[in-house]
Amino acid sequence: AQSVTQLDSQVPVFEEAPVELRCNYSSSVSVYLFWYVQYPNQGLQLLLKYLSGSTLVESINGFEAEFNKSQTSFHLRKPSVHISDTAEYFCAVSDNSNFNKFYFGSGTKLNVKP
Amino acid sequence: DVKVTQSSRYLVKRTGEKVFLECVQDMDHENMFWYRQDPGLGLRLIYFSYDVKMKEKGDIPEGYSVSREKKERFSLILESASTNQTSMYLCASNLLGDEQFFGPGTRLTVL
Repeated sequence: AQSVTQLDSQVPVFEEAPVELRCNYSSSVSVYLFWYVQYPNQGLQLLLKYLSGSTLVESINGFEAEFNKSQTSFHLRKPSVHISDTAEYFCAVSDNSNFNKFYFGSGTKLNVKP
Repeated sequence: DVKVTQSSRYLVKRTGEKVFLECVQDMDHENMFWYRQDPGLGLRLIYFSYDVKMKEKGDIPEGYSVSREKKERFSLILESASTNQTSMYLCASNLLGDEQFFGPGTRLTVL
C-alpha cells in the first residue's frame, strides 16, 4: 500500500517570503498526485494536480508543484505568500493499481505572519 | 459546479445512539468516500463505494457501516456511537482516479 509523508506539521513564514511544503510518497508505480487546501471549518478544495504530461503543475493563485519520479516527491512551492494562504495543506496520491484508492498525508499547517 | 452536500455541519449525540450521516453528490460520480479527520492524523478512509450497493472497507471501518442505495447518495452509519468517534467526518466523490470533490464536513460530538 502507498504511504504519503508530509514531514512538516507546521510551517510558519512571514508574508511575501517563499515557502516549500514537502510531500513524499512510497511508490511511483502508476500514481496521480494532488495538493488540497483546507481553510478553517471547511472541506478540502483541490489546489493542483498531476495526472500526466508536464511534471510542473501550477494553480491559479501562484502555487506550483513538481512531480519528481526518481525522488517520489511532489513538493508544493510559492515564491511569495500572502496572509490569505494561511490554511492546512494536504498532499494526496491516487494509486491506479488499487481501485484508484486515495492516500492522504497528515497535513501541513501554513501560518503566514504579517 | 460539482457539489457535494452533507446533511449536517454540526451534530451532538449521546453514547450508544445510532447516528446517520448523509452525503449527496450531483455530478453522477461513480465513487464515493467517507473519511474522518483528526488533528495530526490527516484523513483516514472509513469506507468507499465504487457503484450502487457496492462497498469496500477502508483503513478504519470498525464501528461504522455504510449504505449506497442510489448513485448520488452515500450514508455513513454509527451503529452505537462512542466517545472515540467524536471527529470531523468528510464525504467525497470522484470519477475513477481523478480528483476527489469534498463536502463541507460534519463535526460530530459524542457525549
